[in-house]
Amino acid sequence: EAGVVQSPRYKIIEKKQPVAFWCNPISGHNTLYWYLQNLGQGPELLIRYENEEAVDDSQLPKDRFSAERLKGVDSTLKIQPAELGDSAVYLCASSLSSGSFSEQYFGPGTRLTVT
Amino acid sequence: GDSVTQMEGPVTLSEEAFLTINCTYTATGYPSLFWYVQYPGEGLQLLLKATKADDKGSNKGFEATYRKETTSFHLEKGSVQVSDSAVYFCALSENTDKLIFGTGTRLQVFP
Repeated sequence: EAGVVQSPRYKIIEKKQPVAFWCNPISGHNTLYWYLQNLGQGPELLIRYENEEAVDDSQLPKDRFSAERLKGVDSTLKIQPAELGDSAVYLCASSLSSGSFSEQYFGPGTRLTVT
Repeated sequence: GDSVTQMEGPVTLSEEAFLTINCTYTATGYPSLFWYVQYPGEGLQLLLKATKADDKGSNKGFEATYRKETTSFHLEKGSVQVSDSAVYFCALSENTDKLIFGTGTRLQVFP
């Protein structure tokens, strides 16, 4: 069974440029998460989707970050414009469902460097 | 708010040594507790979990016991291997599936 797929794995951009990350969850997983992991820190939830609906985006900086999950499968996270402080690893995870705890499966992440 | 505190790393051990990674938590209710592991170049993987006080989670020789009285969930392994070298994250979930992670502890095992 294929795991959570993320691309690109690495991205280097200049500040003020836009950037997008893509995630393909495990087949059949209805819940999708985007996490931010700063260097030396644990992951922090940015947004959670139930199918196409964003059910928790309270930690997403909406002035520059946006996300979508069209058709309830793949998801894209965008930053526009990027700032130096956005350099981090962006993790995508998926689970079968929410409610009682459903194990989250994580992708390898996209490491973003903003110069 | 809820939080997780882990011992700072790196933890450096020789193969076959005993491992303890400390984890304590703060929560308003009765959370479920987890240990995740991140091997180099890979995504986080659930290592073990415990959902109520005195539960013991175990997997791959690792164990952790949910201690409500000390709000702790320390990770232990009796004999580590070089292949256990990774970053270990303690986490809690107070409701449904929102995970709150600690800062992670890097384990380095040398032959």
